[in-house]
Amino acid sequence: GAVVSQHPSWVICKSGTSVKIECRSLDFQATTMFWYRQFPKQSLMLMATSNEGSKATYEQGVEKDKFLINHASLTLSTLTVTSAHPEDSSFYICSATTSGGYNEQFFGPGTRLTVL
Amino acid sequence: AQSVTQPDIHITVSEGASLELRCNYSYGATPYLFWYVQSPGQGLQLLLKYFSGDTLVQGIKGFEAEFKRSQSSFNLRKPSVHWSDAAEYFCAVGPPGSGGYQKVTFGTGTKLQVIP
Repeated sequence: GAVVSQHPSWVICKSGTSVKIECRSLDFQATTMFWYRQFPKQSLMLMATSNEGSKATYEQGVEKDKFLINHASLTLSTLTVTSAHPEDSSFYICSATTSGGYNEQFFGPGTRLTVL
Repeated sequence: AQSVTQPDIHITVSEGASLELRCNYSYGATPYLFWYVQSPGQGLQLLLKYFSGDTLVQGIKGFEAEFKRSQSSFNLRKPSVHWSDAAEYFCAVGPPGSGGYQKVTFGTGTKLQVIP
């Protein structure tokens, strides 16, 4: 149980285009989903927290107009990188949690974005 | 504010040798504590977690961790390392009793190399 998928697993795009990454909880209802960015040899940096049906809460320094997050259902959240540039190239990881008093997060396998 | 320190950036051990990865945290009370493993190009997998109770926690893949309140530590151990354990390991802390909506802070990771 508690499986989270991400699609696509990798994507290459041209500078200036937009890319959408999907995060799905396959066997549970995710009231909250998190989006992380991971640079090479570094830890995960939390970008934003999204609660189903609400606007996402972005961490300081993360541009909400560039990284659009939609958590339209209890099993799906999407991250859209708008007008992508080479500096947006990174490994994007989502995680999902259920309510119930714990902080355990279930992580997706990640999406490798390369912007040319 | 909560924080996590993993003092060892890189550790090399021989296959079959014992392993200990260090983790120290800073938090006003006893937090929830986690160890995750990340294989190259993959998302994070939860190895084990500590919420309360027995301070020695058993996890998957033969790993265990011990919570020591007096030292604010949660070190990860394995008695005999296998080549497949080569990966990056992240310690994480989170505020307890939050209903699943609070943020978890990750350490910067320890990369484990296993030599034959």
